[in-house]
Amino acid sequence: DAGITQSPRHKVTETGTPVTLRCHQTENHRYMYWYRQDPGHGLRLIHYSYGVKDTDKGEVSDGYSVSRSKTEDFLLTLESATSSQTSVYFCAIRDSSGTEAFFGQGTRLTVV
Amino acid sequence: DQQVKQNSPSLSVQEGRISILNCDYTNSMFDYFLWYKKYPAEGPTFLISISSIKDKNEDGRFTVFLNKSAKHLSLHIVPSQPGDSAVYFCAASDIQNNDMRFGAGTRLTVKP
Repeated sequence: DAGITQSPRHKVTETGTPVTLRCHQTENHRYMYWYRQDPGHGLRLIHYSYGVKDTDKGEVSDGYSVSRSKTEDFLLTLESATSSQTSVYFCAIRDSSGTEAFFGQGTRLTVV
Repeated sequence: DQQVKQNSPSLSVQEGRISILNCDYTNSMFDYFLWYKKYPAEGPTFLISISSIKDKNEDGRFTVFLNKSAKHLSLHIVPSQPGDSAVYFCAASDIQNNDMRFGAGTRLTVKP
């Protein structure tokens, strides 16, 4: 298995609170991605990173921010969580020379 | 706007028969296509891929076909096995822009 760890694996939080999800890799891959999975929508790209401090928006980036201060860590922050952000969040990594991405186990976030 | 579409939410086939999963895309910049398999409570795992310069790629029981003019690809599983029961995601990648977009997924059920 690719060395990807997502934390926490499960979280319940209240509306309006900030939340940070962490993705940690041990593969030294250049590219890292955050997706959310929702019924009927599949996996939708939130943000991605192509290097330290280099990030870009995906298709559903509103309400989310990211940071990548080290190659191995990619943080996803919900500044003020809303119920519409209840979802399963997946991190993925991809090597510069590779074409497929490898996924973490996911974080189930519930906003109440 | 969903750039990758899987119009069949579910598919049920008998063990030993062929499973055909379909995927359509709209962005002509996509140059690499992938299929992922996902079991409940796990992250998606890479299954098979195809470059836009090819029209077929085979790996054991799995074959992916690409029709660029129709912007359509399909995954064939022959023979289908009960262990193939999972959600299958189609993905398309624009290598130059580094992002990767997914379809909504098709839930395959293989009945013994």
